[in-house]
Amino acid sequence: DIVLTQAPLSVSVTPGESASISCRSSKSLLSSKGITSLYWYLQRPGKSPQLLIYQMSNLASGVPDRFSSSGSETDFTLKISKVETEDVGVYYCGHRLEFGAGTKLELK
Amino acid sequence: EVQLVESGGGLVQPGRSLKLSCAASGFTFSNYYMAWVRQAPTKGLEWVAYISTGGGSTYYRDSVKGRFTISRDNAKSTLYLQMDSLRSEDTATYYCTTYYDGYYHWFAYWGQGTLVTVSS
Repeated sequence: DIVLTQAPLSVSVTPGESASISCRSSKSLLSSKGITSLYWYLQRPGKSPQLLIYQMSNLASGVPDRFSSSGSETDFTLKISKVETEDVGVYYCGHRLEFGAGTKLELK
Repeated sequence: EVQLVESGGGLVQPGRSLKLSCAASGFTFSNYYMAWVRQAPTKGLEWVAYISTGGGSTYYRDSVKGRFTISRDNAKSTLYLQMDSLRSEDTATYYCTTYYDGYYHWFAYWGQGTLVTVSS
């Protein structure tokens, strides 16, 4: 089974500053079709999770372009530029059925 | 607009049963694999079970195998999770999600969740 390891487990950011979250996979997520099956989800406080990023770097519908994601076959980074109040929550990376442990983003 | 609305959660004693339902709308339900994902209080996300488009193939995580049964009714656009022999460690919010759309394996859409509490 693939294990996804996120870091840090929590991050505190000043509004307007940037934040980065790392996700490392125990195996390559690059398929033979050239698609990297890494997803990012955000769970705001008291809400259900929502899809943010699909196939490593594509924004889901309605997601602001302050969010971006990049990586290699096993190492990935979610970047949030100019953090806003609505970005507070727990960010999970995912591959198929597996999730990382989550990274809690809060404001300073 | 895609909507997934779960129901059926509640307080149940250990060893008893509960059946969750998820009513889907806003998309062609029969074209999607569907899944249940749960989240124990203050914990992360964990897949529980998923089912193929026609219902002929089902998959479970080891900890629920033999106790939970996932099923679907495409005519009613409804997903189910029958949970038997419930344990305290099954206490969680259960989310209904889309899973595989024929192209990608991803949890694209999520319901609002239904809380299951297993306690005497």
